[in-house]
Amino acid sequence: DTAVSQTPKYLVTQMGNDKSIKCEQNLGHDTMYWYKQDSKKFLKIMFSYNNKELIINETVPNRFSPKSPDKAHLNLHINSLELGDSAVYFCASSQVERTQYFGPGTRLTVL
Amino acid sequence: TQLLEQSPQFLSIQEGENLTVYCNSSSVFSSLQWYRQEPGEGPVLLVTVVTGGEVKKLKRLTFQFGDARKDSSLHITAAQPGDTGLYLCAGARRGSQGNLIFGKGTKLSVKP
Repeated sequence: DTAVSQTPKYLVTQMGNDKSIKCEQNLGHDTMYWYKQDSKKFLKIMFSYNNKELIINETVPNRFSPKSPDKAHLNLHINSLELGDSAVYFCASSQVERTQYFGPGTRLTVL
Repeated sequence: TQLLEQSPQFLSIQEGENLTVYCNSSSVFSSLQWYRQEPGEGPVLLVTVVTGGEVKKLKRLTFQFGDARKDSSLHITAAQPGDTGLYLCAGARRGSQGNLIFGKGTKLSVKP
């Protein structure tokens, strides 16, 4: 009965690889988000998406792309992984401009 | 440029002490939220404040939103070891589709 779930919990990969992180919410929310939390615990929005609009933080490299197969899922695909991509990635969901509920995070380590 | 300045960054106190965490900005927010994050988990919402001057209480935690909706504070009375964690403030601006701007967090450690 988890509200926002992410897989995998941990992801270790080599530089240059392509990887995806999956996110699912069962709250019936219409907006989903991806955040990046760096080693200093700073949380920064990467994307927000509902079925009408994708808002991209302009600082996010275009190697990162969100993909939404349906309203309950927003996956994060990353191409050509770099060392600096190592971080914890959080998915969240909400009704538009309401309280956001966060997933447990995916710790990505790029070697 | 960090839009939300959160202080202090680290706080280590003894059980029973009081503490205040501050979140300041030069920008106006339509709402401000406080989250608590434990290691290995996602942030969990504690409270949302939306009205300038608003004060909300959650047991021993008191949250205040500044009159101009640019700053907020979290006060904990008689801290307990169970209050240990990372406290994050986050502001939302109207029309931003709910995109939150987070402060850098306050890592609180309460020693028994």
